Amino acid sequence: SQTIHQWPATLVQPVGSPLSLECTVEGTSNPNLYWYRQAAGRGLQLLFYSVGIGQISSEVPQNLSASRPQDRQFILSSKKLLLSDSGFYLCAWVWAGPAFFGQGTRLTVV
Amino acid sequence: DAKTTQPNSMESNEEEPVHLPCNHSTISGTDYIHWYRQLPSQGPEYVIHGLTSNVNNRMASLAIAEDRKSSTLILHRATLRDAAVYYCILSSGNTPLVFGKGTRLSVIA
Repeated sequence: SQTIHQWPATLVQPVGSPLSLECTVEGTSNPNLYWYRQAAGRGLQLLFYSVGIGQISSEVPQNLSASRPQDRQFILSSKKLLLSDSGFYLCAWVWAGPAFFGQGTRLTVV
Repeated sequence: DAKTTQPNSMESNEEEPVHLPCNHSTISGTDYIHWYRQLPSQGPEYVIHGLTSNVNNRMASLAIAEDRKSSTLILHRATLRDAAVYYCILSSGNTPLVFGKGTRLSVIA
């Protein structure tokens, strides 16, 4: 069966520090992969999506970036975090059907 | 932009049916109607989806209007664990899911 792993579950980082969040999928090949962010009390905002290795589409301009170095690996990065980057970050995958989400990373930038 | 309209909130008594409405008057012929729900502090969870015909699964039923401009998610017997934000989303092919504000369902014991 397909599973999605996302880590860490929680993260507290100082302003200006770098960020790397990793998401991996098991049990499927060539999935579409997505990064969403949910700020406190807000809806889910699509940040990036990828339809294949090295293919990244950005939905919102910001100081975040995404990479897909392997078929089932999706990484969200920042060189310098801002306070406004705090939120709940969710990775999701789709392959010929509904989307399945990871458990999320709750990031607090202090 | 979300292409669906849902009430901000709804309330239900435990063990009663719940009908969550969704309007999507600009739906295209290739758009599927998806429903997800998000429990507190968790990622969204797939509930059900359909194209034209009504759909049933172990979690819920989806009733789609004949003109497809609206749909209703039906929870047959609400439990406290069904309290969540329910999202109605249109998606065609591999287009990313765009979440609106959804409907916050409260279940009263």
